[in-house]
Amino acid sequence: NAGVTQTPKFQVLKTGQSMTLQCAQDMNHEYMSWYRQDPGMGLRLIHYSVGAGITDQGEVPNGYNVSRSTTEDFPLRLLSAAPSQTSVYFCASSYVGASQETQYFGPGTRLLVL
Amino acid sequence: GIQVEQSPPDLILQEGANSTLRCNFSDSVNNLQWFHQNPWGQLINLFYIPSGTKQNGRLSATTVATERYSLLYISSSQTTDSGVYFCAVDLGGNQFYFGTGTSLTVIP
Repeated sequence: NAGVTQTPKFQVLKTGQSMTLQCAQDMNHEYMSWYRQDPGMGLRLIHYSVGAGITDQGEVPNGYNVSRSTTEDFPLRLLSAAPSQTSVYFCASSYVGASQETQYFGPGTRLLVL
Repeated sequence: GIQVEQSPPDLILQEGANSTLRCNFSDSVNNLQWFHQNPWGQLINLFYIPSGTKQNGRLSATTVATERYSLLYISSSQTTDSGVYFCAVDLGGNQFYFGTGTSLTVIP
């Protein structure tokens, strides 16, 4: 199993540009989520999904869109990038309803918005 | 939202020393996990521990849910233990809240 994969590893954007961060998992996990990590602030939940066709907002959803058309993929879209979105983005997945809901994280995407 | 506080924020240890990391949370939780973020940024799950005690090699964790805290013990620390340790809690709504972490440096 490849686990949770994220692309790209690093991206530089100009203010106002759009892009999609890709996340995929091959563990048949129902639950997938996106976090951002800023220095000294830990990880904060952006959006999450409990299954294909179902998404919901987390703690910091503004400026981001998500969709979940398949179990495997959970892309994160920035429609108009802003410097405040400079961060490291992590995707995670886990089973839903299992007795031990261990979360598995991807390697992260470093985003710089100029 | 729930408050998750970790202490200490920074810790420097000599190789072979023991340490205790603490996570306090402000509300009843459905799920609590400890993670290690290595110096390359990868996040690895250490424990799923909403209550009770678990051990895995040199690491162990205890959560006292009624008193809203969890402890992570690292014994005989090694340089590979360096990194940031996070606890994360879930209130039951599939939303995980992370603490700000404890940065551990183990010196040879």
